[in-house]
Amino acid sequence: QSALTQPASVSGSPGQSITLSCTGTSSDIGAYNYVSWYQQHPGKAPKLMIYDVSNRPSGVSNRFSGSKSGNTASLTISGLQAEDEADYYCFSFTRSNTWVFGGGTELTVL
Amino acid sequence: EVQLVQSGAEVKKPGESLKISCKGFGYSFSTYRIGWVRQMPGKGLEWIGIIFPGDSEIRYSPSFQAQVTVAADKSISTTFLQWSSLKASDTAIYYCARLVGFRYFDYWGQGTLVTVSS
Repeated sequence: QSALTQPASVSGSPGQSITLSCTGTSSDIGAYNYVSWYQQHPGKAPKLMIYDVSNRPSGVSNRFSGSKSGNTASLTISGLQAEDEADYYCFSFTRSNTWVFGGGTELTVL
Repeated sequence: EVQLVQSGAEVKKPGESLKISCKGFGYSFSTYRIGWVRQMPGKGLEWIGIIFPGDSEIRYSPSFQAQVTVAADKSISTTFLQWSSLKASDTAIYYCARLVGFRYFDYWGQGTLVTVSS
């Protein structure tokens, strides 16, 4: 099972909107609506930001939203803030009854 | 309040064995899967194995099958990750996390740093 494909790095200016992509296959992202996204600041544990493609846990800012089209999931962050600078990982259940992470995207707020 | 509390940092030599732990608080431990996730220095997240404490069903990532052992003791609400013979390449932070259904990790432990060096 290969890792889901994420761009290694993305950058944006404060106030902008940016979209992070996560590309898989018909055996993982395309198979189920079980895509989740995690934010990880340096030295910290990952934090759940989006689950089941587009649902936000309680306490997560509504500036974060998720979507999916075919085999690609996306995380959009609107009104970019300095505190959003972090690594972001996607995660999906697969038809093999296993799971897979994306390689991660480093988000820089300019 | 749901919490996953992991055991402390370890420094080991190649060839040594190790068992690290993750104890759950604030929820019915037997009813949620717990996953173990590796993060090598400067690298991304990799899932290692996921256990359902209710019946000890375990699924391993093909990348880690036969490299580690995942176990649980529901009487003490604790899951374990163990190695019989460590390698330098096992140096990493290991996280445990609670899996909701088969879908997503909602709570994470604080991580356990394992350093393997001669």
